[in-house]
Amino acid sequence: GQQLNQSPQSMFIQEGEDVSMNCTSSSIFNTWLWYKQDPGEGPVLLIALYKAGELTSNGRLTAQFGITRKDSFLNISASIPSDVGIYFCAGQLRETSGSRLTFGEGTQLTVNP
Amino acid sequence: EPEVTQTPSHQVTQMGQEVILRCVPISNHLYFYWYRQILGQKVEFLVSFYNNEISEKSEIFDDQFSVERPDGSNFTLKIRSTKLEDSAMYFCASSRDRGFVDTQYFGPGTRLTVL
Repeated sequence: GQQLNQSPQSMFIQEGEDVSMNCTSSSIFNTWLWYKQDPGEGPVLLIALYKAGELTSNGRLTAQFGITRKDSFLNISASIPSDVGIYFCAGQLRETSGSRLTFGEGTQLTVNP
Repeated sequence: EPEVTQTPSHQVTQMGQEVILRCVPISNHLYFYWYRQILGQKVEFLVSFYNNEISEKSEIFDDQFSVERPDGSNFTLKIRSTKLEDSAMYFCASSRDRGFVDTQYFGPGTRLTVL
């Protein structure tokens, strides 16, 4: 099956710093999504990307869909303590509607006040 | 804001017992999904469901698993004879297809513990 490599696995940063994480795949996806998961909760959608090359922002978050359709990155600017959590990328092939999401391994973000 | 809900939040069962996990998807959504997440690991796809039938399933979704939409609002995952390795968080998700928009929204999950 398709595999996503997400890096880094974990990050420890100071409040106010910018953060960058990325996902790469050996095969293409038609949709990239970024989710955040807090402990004991479900993934919450942050940003969805539907076209190769697309750059989308949501507040302090910016994500891009790579031109090759095999990668995506997420940037968080001016981090705050509530940014703590696990960030997952997910790719979707969308050959048919309702197709599965393939998730990356996650990036554990810790923000020190 | 509409959201996916799941019950129970935590289910403890003995190995070999049957469990049913319940989900109420977002009301105007057409596609429904189950995913699982073993502790400390990534989220894995189990099954997708549309128009009262399975549209896609993973290799994890074997004969021990089944899904059903018994009425207009609930979507259930049944595990017939639970194993220790079924212990995980189970997430329900739903999406709609209105042209290009097919984003999946997740519920809070059910933590299944098999003893």
